[in-house]
Formats: sequence, structure tokens, C-alpha cells
Amino acid sequence: QKEVEQNSGPLSVPEGAIASLNCTYSDRGSQSFFWYRQYSGKSPELIMFIYSNGDKEDGRFTAQLNKASQYVSLLIRDSQPSDSATYLCAVIGLYNFNKFYFGSGTKLNVKP
Amino acid sequence: NAGVTQTPKFQVLKTGQSMTLQCAQDMNHNSMYWYRQDPGMGLRLIYYSASEGTTDKGEVPNGYNVSRLNKREFSLRLESAAPSQTSVYFCASSPLRSSGNTIYFGEGSWLTVV
Repeated sequence: QKEVEQNSGPLSVPEGAIASLNCTYSDRGSQSFFWYRQYSGKSPELIMFIYSNGDKEDGRFTAQLNKASQYVSLLIRDSQPSDSATYLCAVIGLYNFNKFYFGSGTKLNVKP
Repeated sequence: NAGVTQTPKFQVLKTGQSMTLQCAQDMNHNSMYWYRQDPGMGLRLIYYSASEGTTDKGEVPNGYNVSRLNKREFSLRLESAAPSQTSVYFCASSPLRSSGNTIYFGEGSWLTVV
């Protein structure tokens, strides 16, 4: 079982809609969770991180964490064509906070 | 502020050749990493280094060696390249903290082994 699982997509949403991206993780003791955005041919860039159960908002982005169900999600409100990219979920392991485990990513297409 | 710099950006190797990917960071981070990214596989950790002089294996270390030359530099060596090592390689760094840890990536190195 992979440490981090994501639906590969593609997820297609119309411009202005809410895009919902999901991620599940296997290590129940994981403490820190991250969302990265990766444009084609570019390196991943951090969008936001979340440590505590509940929601964390940053502009049009909201990260949601549910440790009991072991999932973390990313909502993108008012989606723009420039949001079209692959979104990677990452988790820090329980026993080694030096190890980042990445999902394979969900490709998002925002259609004008 | 350069962040994480890796070279070369593109390289074509013949099977059996060797090469070294270089990486340097100027953020005074303790931890450095090498990942490879293949279609549908996501980012897979090859090796990491928590501090100068220490290195540890990740998920896919076979066929690679690393060297943490100093706090700034972390190199990845392919001793005898194989077509299965065709991939995009990312170097990354992070401050070693128990909380608030974030990882920052270089621009990537595209390696093709023919």
C-alpha cells in the first residue's frame, strides 16, 4: 500500500467553479500535510500546508484535514485556467519528519 | 536568492555511462533530497541527507550513490546508467524541524538513457 494515494484524474471543471482534490494517507500518525502545484515541465511549488484537523484557508485555496478518516483535501474556489496543473499531496512520516511522501498527483483542467 | 540549483538541466547518456547530478542550496537548510519523477509514479525518494556527512536510502536507491559534500551541496551519481533510469530528477532541501517542515525543489534535471 502506498503511503499517499491520489486520483490521477484528469479532473475537469469550468472556469469559476470549485475544484475539489482529495488525498488519503496510510500512516495514522502522520502529522504534517502539504499541497504542491506542478505545472507541466516545472518543479513542484508549495501551495499550503496543514497540521490540525479542520480547515485552513489561504485566498482561493482551502485545505481540509480529517485525521480520523485519514484524508486531506484541497478546494480551489473560483477556478481559473491558470490553475490547470497537477496537484501533489505530501505527508511527513510519523517516525521521521525528514521524509516527505508524495502522492502521484491529480491533474486539474480548468476550462474557459 | 537562487534557492535550490541543480545541474545539468538536460542530459543524454548511453547505457553503461556514468554521470553526476550536482545540487546546491543557499537557504542554510539542514536536509537535502534527491527525488525522481516518472509518469504515473509521482515523486519517489532516492536518497536524502539529514545533515552534512550523513545520507540515508529512500524508496528507490538501487543504481545510485550520493555524496553530501558540505551543508550546501548534495550530489547524485549514476555509476552505470540504465534505460530504467530515464526520468526527471529533482533535488530539494528543507530545514530540519519537528514542525513546520517544508520542502523546496530545484528546477529539475531531465535525464535520458539510450
